[in-house]
Amino acid sequence: QITLKESGPTLVKPTQTLTLTCTFSGFSLSTSGVGVGWIRQPPGKALEWLALIYWDDDKRYSPSLKSRLTITKDTSKNQVVLTMTNTDPVDTATYYCAHYSSSYWFDPWGQGTLVTVSS
Amino acid sequence: EIVLTQSPATLSLSPGERATLSCRASQSVSIYLAWYQQKPGQAPRLLIYDASNRATGIPASFSGSGSGTDFTLTISSLEPEDFAVYYCQQRSNWPHTFGQGTRLEIK
Repeated sequence: QITLKESGPTLVKPTQTLTLTCTFSGFSLSTSGVGVGWIRQPPGKALEWLALIYWDDDKRYSPSLKSRLTITKDTSKNQVVLTMTNTDPVDTATYYCAHYSSSYWFDPWGQGTLVTVSS
Repeated sequence: EIVLTQSPATLSLSPGERATLSCRASQSVSIYLAWYQQKPGQAPRLLIYDASNRATGIPASFSGSGSGTDFTLTISSLEPEDFAVYYCQQRSNWPHTFGQGTRLEIK
């Protein structure tokens, strides 16, 4: 059974750096074809694709956020970390990580973590 | 960036009725489109992938069709638990964008 769980601060101040950790079980990020992605959802709004890291350390970013995002993996710890610099109140959202399956879709997702950016 | 436009924004139906949700892409995504269901306070769940394949554990009442730029999610007979928000997503081009969602509500 694959499970993922997001962790990190619930509140950050504008301009600070946000660091989120996705801890997973039930699969290995050293397995060919596997990945972990990050998606966010502002309150009451739609999903926004953020970033993806593959088993071979290939990384993809949303072009609109690429300058502010960094995604890394620690295969030995079964963790993926997303870092977002220079946060703004518009970054307030629930942040989800998800398993990028061998069918190349997000399945399953973590429960999400709500991050509020406010002074 | 590929833009996915979902319609309608809100669909009001009764249990037992048939639901038809649409997703249109700004350029061809071939068959590389998925549908997710999201209930209040929950994470999205994969329903359909590659346009017409049901994900594991998804009932046969859910079906997907389409290719290129026009896609449809059909729920043949609505159960009370089907009322939720539905999102489409494409993986043809980076970034793998989502649509803005269709809210399926009880009439």
